[in-house]
Amino acid sequence: GAVVSQHPSWVICKSGTSVKIECRSLDFQATTMFWYRQFPKQSLMLMATSNEGSKATYEQGVEKDKFLINHASLTLSTLTVTSAHPEDSSFYICSAEEGLAGPGTQYFGPGTRLTVL
Amino acid sequence: GDSVTQMEGPVTLSEEAFLTINCTYTATGYPSLFWYVQYPGEGLQLLLKATKADDKGSNKGFEATYRKETTSFHLEKGSVQVSDSAVYFCALSSNTGTASKLTFGTGTRLQVTL
Repeated sequence: GAVVSQHPSWVICKSGTSVKIECRSLDFQATTMFWYRQFPKQSLMLMATSNEGSKATYEQGVEKDKFLINHASLTLSTLTVTSAHPEDSSFYICSAEEGLAGPGTQYFGPGTRLTVL
Repeated sequence: GDSVTQMEGPVTLSEEAFLTINCTYTATGYPSLFWYVQYPGEGLQLLLKATKADDKGSNKGFEATYRKETTSFHLEKGSVQVSDSAVYFCALSSNTGTASKLTFGTGTRLQVTL
């Protein structure tokens, strides 16, 4: 149980285009989902917290107009990287909080590798 | 703010060796503590957790004890296997309103050889 999927697993795009990444909780409902960015050989940096039916809460330094987050249902959150540039190339990971497992217990998706040319 | 400090890797051990990965934290209040593991090519998986002082989390032969007096949550395993090769992340959870945010350490890569 508690499986989180992401799609696509990798994407290559041209500079200036937009890319959408989907995050789904497959067997549980997630009122809260999180989006992280992971740089090579570094830890995960929280970008934003996404709550179903409301606006996402962004961490300091994260551009909300560049990284659009939509949490339309209890099983789906999307991250859209708008007007992507090479510096946006990274590994993006989502997670979902499964309330019954206790506070702070998050289940992670496998990640999406974004390469912007 | 909250922070987690882990020992830098990589850690290279022979199979059946004893493993310790140190983790210390700084937080206000009483956070929950976690160890997550990331196997090559896969997403992070919860390995174990502890929610209050003196609690011991354990799973798959790994264990860690929540030590409030030393603000530590060191990960240990008595006999590692090649299949334990992965990156291990220590994390803490601070409750902020309705969401529980995780703060991660930098990760420690473990390589186990035959």
